[in-house]
Amino acid sequence: LAKTTQPISMDSYEGQEVNITCSHNNIATNDYITWYQQFPSQGPRFIIQGYKTKVTNEVASLFIPADRKSSTLSLPRVSLSDTAVYYCLVATSGTYKYIFGTGTRLKVLA
Amino acid sequence: EPEVTQTPSHQVTQMGQEVILRCVPISNHLYFYWYRQILGQKVEFLVSFYNNEISEKSEIFDDQFSVERPDGSNFTLKIRSTKLEDSAMYFCASTTDREDNQPQHFGDGTRLSIL
Repeated sequence: LAKTTQPISMDSYEGQEVNITCSHNNIATNDYITWYQQFPSQGPRFIIQGYKTKVTNEVASLFIPADRKSSTLSLPRVSLSDTAVYYCLVATSGTYKYIFGTGTRLKVLA
Repeated sequence: EPEVTQTPSHQVTQMGQEVILRCVPISNHLYFYWYRQILGQKVEFLVSFYNNEISEKSEIFDDQFSVERPDGSNFTLKIRSTKLEDSAMYFCASTTDREDNQPQHFGDGTRLSIL
C-alpha cells in the first residue's frame, strides 16, 4: 500500500522561502508528481507538476531526486495569502489510483 | 479559465436515503474522478472513469457507490443508502489525458451532511 507522507504543519514569515517535502515510496514508474493548494471550503488548486529533476513556474519550484521517492515544493517569498494546506498527489505504482499526501498546513505570519 | 462545477454546494440527507452529487467537468476533458475529504482529513481517491466505464476504484468505493455520465456534460456520484460516515466533502476532478500526465482540475466540492 502506497504511503505518501508530509509534515503536518509549518510556520513561516512573509517574504521567506518555504520548502515542503512529500515522501512517496511507491510511486508509479511513469507518473508525475503533482502539488496542490487547498483553502478552506474549496477544492485543491493545481500549483506545479513534474517527473524528475527540477521544474519551475511562475509560482513555485519542484525538486525531484533521481529515485523519485520524494519531492520538495518550494514557494519563494511567501505572503499571507499563501496560508493554506498543501498536498502532493501521486499514482500508486501499477495503477491509476491516486494518493494524496497527508497534507501540510502552512501558516504565513506577518 | 474553464472550471469544474459541482452542485449542490451543500446537501443534507437523512441516513438511509439515496443521494446524487453532480459535476460538470471541463468540456474537452476525458478522464473523470471523484474524491472525498472527511472533515480535517486528507483528500481520498474514490473512483476514476473513462470512456463510460470505471477505470479504477478504491476500497472506499463499495457497492453503495456508483458513477454515471448520463449525458455529454454531467458526471454523477450516487450513494444508494447513505450512512453517517458518508458525511464529507466530495470533490469531482477531470483531466484531458492521463497518459500524458495532464494535471487534474478540481471543483469546489459538495458538502454532504448525513443526519
